[in-house]
Formats: sequence, C-alpha cells, structure tokens
Amino acid sequence: EVQLLESGGGLVQPGGSLRLSCAASGFTFRSYAMSWVRQVPGKGLEWVAGISTGRDSTYYADSVKGRFTISRDNSKNTLYLQVNSLRAEDTAFYYCARVLGGPYSPYFDYWGQGTLVTVSS
Amino acid sequence: QSVLTQPPSVSGAPGQRVTISCTGHSSNIGAGYDVHWYQQLPGTAPKLLIYGNNNRPSGVPDRFSGSKSGTSASLAITGLQAEDEADYYCQSYDSSLSGSGVFGGGTKVTVL
Repeated sequence: EVQLLESGGGLVQPGGSLRLSCAASGFTFRSYAMSWVRQVPGKGLEWVAGISTGRDSTYYADSVKGRFTISRDNSKNTLYLQVNSLRAEDTAFYYCARVLGGPYSPYFDYWGQGTLVTVSS
Repeated sequence: QSVLTQPPSVSGAPGQRVTISCTGHSSNIGAGYDVHWYQQLPGTAPKLLIYGNNNRPSGVPDRFSGSKSGTSASLAITGLQAEDEADYYCQSYDSSLSGSGVFGGGTKVTVL
C-alpha cells in the first residue's frame, strides 16, 4: 500500500524557517517524481515545488522561488521541503504527492495527509 | 485568482446528473495539455478522480467521467449520491508558468 507521511509543520514567526519531511513507503520511491502542494485552510490547491527522480531537476512556483528548496534522499525514501523567509501568506497545509504522467502532463496519484504550517507572530 | 476557472458551487438532488466546468487558456487546456480531476472530502487530502481527461483510476466509480474540448474541460457525476458531497478541483499543465501544474479554484458539490 502506498503511503506518504508528512511531518515538520508547526507555528513559526514571520521570516522563520522550517524543514518539512515526507516519508514514503509501499512503492519504489526513487522511480517517481514527487511534488509539494499546499492549501490555505478553506481555500484551493496550489502546486508549490517538484523534483525529478534523480534530483537533477527541480521546479518551483513563482510565489516560493528563492525561498523554498525541494530535495529528496532516495536512500531514506524521504522527500523534503526547506521553507525559508516565511510569510503570513505561506500559512497552509502542505501535502506531498507522487507524480505520474510525465513533464507535460503531470498529475498526482497519491497524496499524504498534510502537515500544517502556521506563520504568525 | 486561479489559472483555471471553475464555478464555486454546484448542487443537485440524489440521482441527478451534475457537471463541473473548468475553463483555461491557450497556454494550458487550449494548448492540448491533459486535464485531471481530484475529489477532496471534508477534512481529508485530495484524491485523484480522473486523469488524462477521461481515465478513472482503479476503484473510482463509473458515475464519474471527464471530457475536454477546446479551452475547457468538464467533470460529470451521474446518479449523484450523498457521499459525493465534496470539493472538486481540475488541474492541468501551463506552458507559460514554471513547474508541474496549475489548479482550478475548486467547486463545492452539494447534494440536496
């Protein structure tokens, strides 16, 4: 059974940092591209960042470029999102998701349960 | 404001058919990129419902179907059931933006 389990969320002050983790199991992690998608409570979905299988390609939404860094450790079956220079508008649930479909038709077939990041003083 | 436009809400009685539209632009749906749909039940993570415009993952009832034409796509739910009350999101790729995908703003389906 495919499972994605996020952790690392919490309350952080504006300008602060967090490292989100997503532990994957039930599939060959190194064979799949992965992404982070966030959702402000009560609002819609926003794709945040993506990474290829071999870590050689990373992609970011314009809203987080230069502040967030996606990475993966295939030996630990774990996806990461380093979030720096946090702003109030970054407050959201952060989901990790497995990516299928290729570079021009990506879609997300499995999602974790999400971890909540709250940016507030 | 989302790149893909969905109606905020639709409703229908049990057993009825409802459709959700997803309108894009020449840089996404109109360019021929696939559309995918997700269902999000209250308090849960999104779940893949339709991929590649009109394909259902294993376990998704055939009451759910997708279509695409021009710069728009649609999700249809036939034989609406109480358990279908949820938020639904469309998603595609946009060649003018960096990265993996763009989402619609979501549509709340209410079963009357």
